[in-house]
Amino acid sequence: ETGVTQTPRHLVMGMTNKKSLKCEQHLGHNAMYWYKQSAKKPLELMFVYNFKEQTENNSVPSRFSPECPNSSHLFLHLHTLQPEDSALYLCASSQDWIGETQYFGPGTRLLVL
Amino acid sequence: GENVEQHPSTLSVQEGDSAVIKCTYSDSASNYFPWYKQELGKRPQLIIDIRSNVGEKKDQRIAVTLNKTAKHFSLHITETQPEDSAVYFCAANTGGTSYGKLTFGQGTILTVHP
Repeated sequence: ETGVTQTPRHLVMGMTNKKSLKCEQHLGHNAMYWYKQSAKKPLELMFVYNFKEQTENNSVPSRFSPECPNSSHLFLHLHTLQPEDSALYLCASSQDWIGETQYFGPGTRLLVL
Repeated sequence: GENVEQHPSTLSVQEGDSAVIKCTYSDSASNYFPWYKQELGKRPQLIIDIRSNVGEKKDQRIAVTLNKTAKHFSLHITETQPEDSAVYFCAANTGGTSYGKLTFGQGTILTVHP
């Protein structure tokens, strides 16, 4: 599938590193999302962007910084992460933000050492 | 905010049997309830969804029922096959001004034995 792509697919970083996750959607959607998926936990919504504007920040620590330069691209900038931040980070998009189907990317598997 | 509870956490069935997964939600304003299937190492994919103006929706071997009064919805898979083995997530949207916010259940690991 090429609808929603994410890079890198795997990332190992130290607690003092700075890295960025990238998401791109080729579906012409207007809303994009970042989710965190940890083992034995439900999918946790982190951020929502609608028409490039952030509409939701689900009490995410400031060491996660999102950026949405246009409706097709979404970034998650990471700095001074903790080992408990290790998880699968999933990007999703939907046509708009009103109860529409969300399409997920393959995710970035992040390991913080 | 919305709270979604999903049961059971694991479900094991024989091929050909039916499987039922149940979810409850707390926000009476929720009006969109999708179900996602996530195979090992893959992305979650929508398999069926239902909106609050209908009580049941069917797509081949998969059906979803919604009881708005009781605030619960269920996924039914009939004639299960080994390829149905995956983690299934229910979700509900948050009403009011946070329409795009989906709250997910904890997931159900379904194993279908040949």
